[in-house]
This record gives sequence, C-alpha cells and structure tokens, in this order.
Amino acid sequence: QVTLRESGPALVKPRETLTLTCTFSGFSLSSSGMCVSWIRQPPGKALEWLARIDWDDDKYYNISLKTRLTISKDSSKKQVVLTMTNVDPADTATYYCARTVHESSWFFDYWGQGTLATVSS
Amino acid sequence: DIVMTQSPATLSVSPGERATLSCRASQSVSNNLAWYQQKPGQTPRLLIYDTSTRATGIPARFSGSGSGTEFILTISSLQSEDFAVYYCQQYNRWPTFGGGTRVEIK
Repeated sequence: QVTLRESGPALVKPRETLTLTCTFSGFSLSSSGMCVSWIRQPPGKALEWLARIDWDDDKYYNISLKTRLTISKDSSKKQVVLTMTNVDPADTATYYCARTVHESSWFFDYWGQGTLATVSS
Repeated sequence: DIVMTQSPATLSVSPGERATLSCRASQSVSNNLAWYQQKPGQTPRLLIYDTSTRATGIPARFSGSGSGTEFILTISSLQSEDFAVYYCQQYNRWPTFGGGTRVEIK
C-alpha cells in the first residue's frame, strides 16, 4: 500500500526558509524509475509543480522558482525534503508530495494529504 | 511553459447526465495528458493518463480523448460522488496544470 505524508511548519515568516518533509511507504525511491515531486496549491487556486527527485538522484525544478528550491532524498529513511528560501505571502499554499512511477512519464499516481504552510509575519 | 486552459470553469449537471470537460494546451503535448479529480478537502486523485488510459480502480464511466492541443474528459452518467473539481495536466514538458472545472449539481 503506497502512502505519502507531508510535514512542515504551519506558519512561516516572510524571508525565512520553509522546510517540508515527505515521508513515504509502500515503494522504494531506490527502485529504477521511481520519482517524487512536490506540488503546491494556493487557497482556491490551481496546482503548480515545484520540483522532482528521481531514483538516481536526478533533480528537476520549476524554472520560475529554481533559485529558491532545493530537493533532496534519504532513501533509507524513505523521505524527500524540499526547502524553499526567502518565502513570501504568495507562497502560502497546501504543499503536496506525489509519486511518479516512470521517470519519462510526469504524471502522479499517488499523492499525500498535503500540508498547509502560511507565510505571514 | 505550456499553458493549459480548461473550460467551462463550472459545469452544472444533473445526476445521471453526461458531463463533457475540455482542456486546451497552448502548444502540442502529444498524448501526454492526465486528468485528476479533487473533492473539497481531499487530495487529487489520478483518473486518466496518456490521454485515455484509466488509472487503477477508476470506473469505466470516466473516459478521455484527444491529442495535440485539444482534450476531453467525459463522465458518461454522473454519480453523486463525481461532483468535484477536475484538473488536466500536461507532461510533454515540465508539468503544468489547468485551472480546473468544477462539476456541480444542477
């Protein structure tokens, strides 16, 4: 049974760094083709893909946010971590992690429940 | 970025009726198109990938079609549990999502 669960601070101050953790089970991020992405959804708005890390440690970023994002993994702990620097109230969103099973197919078959991060002073 | 535009923004349908949702890409995405369903307070659920392949456990009343820049999600006979927001997503290049279509009870 595949599950993903996001965790992170509910409230972050502007200009600080947001660190989010995705803890997953039911698959291995060391297996060929497996990938985990971060996707966010501001309140009442559409989804936005942020970053992806692959089984072989390849990393991809949304070009509009690339300078602020870092994605990493700890396969033994079954965790993927996303850091976003210099946050702004516009970064207030529910942040999801999601799985991709083939590195050439960028759709997402399992999602976590999401964690809401609010950026406010 | 490839911009995905969904229409209509809201679709009012009676239970048992057919729903047709549209998704248009700003440039060709071949058949690299997925559809998701999201209910209030819930996580997105993959319905369709590769334009027309149903994901595991998705009922046959959901079907996808199209290619290039024009795509359709059809729900043949709406059930009460189908009232939700539907998003399309292209993955021909970096993934981008449409703005969503809300399917509501008429």
